[in-house]
Amino acid sequence: DGGITQSPKYLFRKEGQNVTLSCEQNLNHDAMYWYRQDPGQGLRLIYYSQIVNDFQKGDIAEGYSVSREKKESFPLTVTSAQKNPTAFYLCASSMGEGSGNTEAFFGQGTRLTVV
Amino acid sequence: AQKVTQAQTEISVVEKEDVTLDCVYETRDTTYYLFWYKQPPSGELVFLIRRNSFDEQNEISGRYSWNFQKSTSSFNFTITASQVVDSAVYFCALSESRDDKIIFGKGTRLHILP
Repeated sequence: DGGITQSPKYLFRKEGQNVTLSCEQNLNHDAMYWYRQDPGQGLRLIYYSQIVNDFQKGDIAEGYSVSREKKESFPLTVTSAQKNPTAFYLCASSMGEGSGNTEAFFGQGTRLTVV
Repeated sequence: AQKVTQAQTEISVVEKEDVTLDCVYETRDTTYYLFWYKQPPSGELVFLIRRNSFDEQNEISGRYSWNFQKSTSSFNFTITASQVVDSAVYFCALSESRDDKIIFGKGTRLHILP
């Protein structure tokens, strides 16, 4: 089945540790995104990538890093510099084409808890 | 800069009532795209509709309808004869033509009471 896979669904980490969230898509989409969702805050864009080996910061990129070495994969690393990492993280992809003309499709999300 | 405002944080209606979710957007681009998504309790966002800035025709899909008005920068969503299964968080989103960045509003949590 075509879609976006995020793993794991739940993730626990100790404070001060880096953690990487996985996102894979087999939709042959060019663009990929990472959003963070907190209660009452909606979805806030962390990073997005329009093409392999290129990515741009979103509104809340501090404390996060990404890579886009393959078209299918867009992993997100939550570093120890992120002050409040506990949140629900959503990955998405779209056809892209640099025109904003296509909707994004989402994975099931990863709920990260830092203790 | 692009911005999406959903002023209604939470709405509760009784089943079978009609309900309208408001969305107001800001953009400096003349070509842009608007979206609505539904987030059920499972957490995954479900795409509902996309609208282009050059097409102001309103749309109806079953019990759902969308009213796009450029003059007021609004893209409102109406559910007719609401059902309990419509209970979810609904997000409005905006993308400009210059790139693939998609910005979301804070969402409206909709409760349909039996």
